[in-house]
Amino acid sequence: AQKITQTQPGMFVQEKEAVTLDCTYDTSDPSYGLFWYKQPSSGEMIFLIYQGSYDQQNATEGRYSLNFQKARKSANLVISASQLGDSAMYFCAMRGWYSSASKIIFGSGTRLSIRP
Amino acid sequence: DAGVIQSPRHEVTEMGQEVTLRCKLISGHNSLFWYRQTMMRGLELLIYFNNNVPIDDSGMPEDRFSAKMPNASFSTLKIQPSEPRDSAVYFCASSSSRDSNNEQFFGPGTRLTVL
Repeated sequence: AQKITQTQPGMFVQEKEAVTLDCTYDTSDPSYGLFWYKQPSSGEMIFLIYQGSYDQQNATEGRYSLNFQKARKSANLVISASQLGDSAMYFCAMRGWYSSASKIIFGSGTRLSIRP
Repeated sequence: DAGVIQSPRHEVTEMGQEVTLRCKLISGHNSLFWYRQTMMRGLELLIYFNNNVPIDDSGMPEDRFSAKMPNASFSTLKIQPSEPRDSAVYFCASSSSRDSNNEQFFGPGTRLTVL
């Protein structure tokens, strides 16, 4: 069975500070992928970043980076220099390449609020 | 590319009525996913298709829900009869098995309210 856990239902961060959103996962698949999505108040789901389980380096996309610790089964999202527009729900997600075909499972999300 | 297209964007209906939600995949994508999002239950996968074939429908709540892919680029999710507890935002997403990340691209969602 696969599982994604996001333990922070909500976070408040001061603008321009860095923020880390926690995500832990559980899977029996030897190969898997980890995703982060952003959902602003307008409702759309926006893909942010992807990490493959065999990637040697942590993924980065602009201000987003993924702190991947395979032994600890964690895939935390780090947002550097936070901006007011970063206020949104953030979802961690996972796909097991062998067990679940194209299916991606999502965590319960973390609501991030950036204070000016 | 226009992205994943969903219609309608908003639907308000009365209990007992039939509701049909529509989704057009991104051209070239071969996997299609229907999700439901509520405050109480978060984001739930209802069903997904690969190459027009339903692969996993274990998330479909009950027989009142049905989904089809009449062709490679289009899908419908039907609720008949609808109930107030079906009120939610329904997302459609598509992906391509040729994409090494298999990233899912989401549509804007349909906000359904059943009175």
